[in-house]
Amino acid sequence: SQQGEEDPQALSIQEGENATMNCSYKTSINNLQWYRQNSGRGLVHLILIRSNEREKHSGRLRVTLDTSKKSSSLLITASRAADTASYFCATVPGYALNFGKGTSLLVTP
Amino acid sequence: DTGVSQDPRHKITKRGQNVTFRCDPISEHNRLYWYRQTLGQGPEFLTYFQNEAQLEKSRLLSDRFSAERPKGSFSTLEIQRTEQGDSAMYLCASTTLDRGPDTQYFGPGTRLTVL
Repeated sequence: SQQGEEDPQALSIQEGENATMNCSYKTSINNLQWYRQNSGRGLVHLILIRSNEREKHSGRLRVTLDTSKKSSSLLITASRAADTASYFCATVPGYALNFGKGTSLLVTP
Repeated sequence: DTGVSQDPRHKITKRGQNVTFRCDPISEHNRLYWYRQTLGQGPEFLTYFQNEAQLEKSRLLSDRFSAERPKGSFSTLEIQRTEQGDSAMYLCASTTLDRGPDTQYFGPGTRLTVL
């Protein structure tokens, strides 16, 4: 079964706007990761946040983690058309990544 | 950039045929993972290797699925007697032992269509 659930399932914004997507998970974690997938580059690791961290930044990405609520959010600021992709959160409950169903982001010019 | 490579990128087959996919991990990556991704879903773990040892295979979908990594380098995933429900993207990923299952590097995937 899938560990994480992203919300919303789909998001459409214009270039320059911010995009926020959320992830909820079920079990305790050591870390949570976000991946991006598009047809051109496949599945790419974006950022990892550890369970003792509350917020992490990487370029235009900001990730938050609330272990008490078992939830995380990914914020993409000043979005670009190239950010169009599916975004997945993933946890490691055992020996492999467990992905959610993803959020499909469309950024229009 | 010698990332993870997979071959073929696309495979169309008829129901009942056997198919085999190949994955070449990043050099020196001793952990290799196989995932399946169906439309609208996230990747689903199938099996993984540490060097040539297959450490977990209980998540393979049925006994029609098998995987090998005979020399601890490339790996193959075989599906026997394919069914239409096997149509999916099959992803391979690799990482190093010290990273554990975190931060895996994914290949482009093999898209299987079973007619």
